[in-house]
Amino acid sequence: QSVLTQPPSASGTPGQRVTISCSGTTSNIGNNYVFWYQQFPGTAPKLLIYNYNQRPSGVPDRFSGSHSGTSASLAISGLRSEDEAHYYCAAWDDNLSSPVFGGGTRLTVL
Amino acid sequence: EVQLVESAGGLVEPGGSLRLSCEPSGLRIINAWLSWVRQAPGKGLEWVGRIKSEADGGTRDYAAPVKGRFIISRDDSKNTLYLQMNSLRTDDTAIYYCTTVLVGSRWGFHLWGRGTLVSVSS
Repeated sequence: QSVLTQPPSASGTPGQRVTISCSGTTSNIGNNYVFWYQQFPGTAPKLLIYNYNQRPSGVPDRFSGSHSGTSASLAISGLRSEDEAHYYCAAWDDNLSSPVFGGGTRLTVL
Repeated sequence: EVQLVESAGGLVEPGGSLRLSCEPSGLRIINAWLSWVRQAPGKGLEWVGRIKSEADGGTRDYAAPVKGRFIISRDDSKNTLYLQMNSLRTDDTAIYYCTTVLVGSRWGFHLWGRGTLVSVSS
């Protein structure tokens, strides 16, 4: 069981806005930055969002991150078929003294 | 373009050992903090451990499941990161990724290798 909680699946239609949630506690999300990763089948994860809402160069501004208290969210606007992938949140956990991940959310574009 | 390339994994019997290496191209690791992350087949991501740069003390930290069995090291002269895995168990079966740590972060996984599969089975 993962320390951070994500819904196992999410879906949307092309052009729609979809959000993926990531729930934690004060020892992780509530007190530390959240990162988001995108992973296509058979490939390595890719950094999508860091420090709650910052995008590395090359990541489209359709992807955005936010957080409130002990939860964080990844929003994808203008959904495209190529966004179909797994998405993982991650944060440092002060109690475990290690980074922890969510279980991942499989995004389907209908 | 920076690429991280892990050495080939393989099939190991329970209790056995295996050493992985990771050699980035297009990046000198001397000032980089580096991590290993693994992913069991069909499962989520799990942090394995991290090594800081020598300038920052070269400190190594490990996840609880691998502490005392795995050793992360680096050879900056060879621009290579290593993961020595001992006393391997079946639940160590996973794809192992080497990653760079985002500058300014203490752990954030930035650039990832393609990964290499380690299978532990009799």
